[in-house]
Amino acid sequence: QQQVKQSPQSLIVQKGGISIINCAYENTAFDYFPWYQQFPGKGPALLIAIRPDVSEKKEGRFTISFNKSAKQFSLHIMDSQPGDSATYFCAASPDSWGKLQFGAGTQVVVTP
Amino acid sequence: DAGITQSPRHKVTETGTPVTLRCHQTENHRYMYWYRQDPGHGLRLIHYSYGVKDTDKGEVSDGYSVSRSKTEDFLLTLESATSSQTSVYFCAITGTSGGKSYNEQFFGPGTRLTVL
Repeated sequence: QQQVKQSPQSLIVQKGGISIINCAYENTAFDYFPWYQQFPGKGPALLIAIRPDVSEKKEGRFTISFNKSAKQFSLHIMDSQPGDSATYFCAASPDSWGKLQFGAGTQVVVTP
Repeated sequence: DAGITQSPRHKVTETGTPVTLRCHQTENHRYMYWYRQDPGHGLRLIHYSYGVKDTDKGEVSDGYSVSRSKTEDFLLTLESATSSQTSVYFCAITGTSGGKSYNEQFFGPGTRLTVL
């Protein structure tokens, strides 16, 4: 069974809007929570990552919010742009070099 | 692309035939991984390696074997391909290179495998 549950499956947002993707996990041994971005025909690429000792991490227009007690974390894409149209995967691992458990992915489409 | 190549990039084969996919890195990273990507499942770990000749199973290892005889190469073999192994396969690497420790996995461009 999938150890990391991701929602929604797909998302359409207007340019300038906010995209929000949510993930939940069960394994309390997870200690590293990255988000990957994937464009069609390409391999995933790391977008931003967080460890559970902080509740929020921001890099440019991308923010991870982390709720350790609820075992949930989310990605917010502010001021969404058409170039952000891609599939986004959350993941979790016991450490940054460990075996990643991926969510099922969210396809984000940003309309002009 | 972080010095990772995968070959072949596309392959069509028939059920029951053996298939070997190759991942080659130029980064001298210690850790290498094989994932498969299927709609609705994200990426799932097949096998991984934490050094030359050191490998271990991931969550979907049945029907797959791996070998790593050199730091730079990690081979994935389907001993007898089945239609359920039709997928996109990604290799990833991470570790320490040039005195710098990386916290992310770098992914290759993928191999699209179709088993008829």
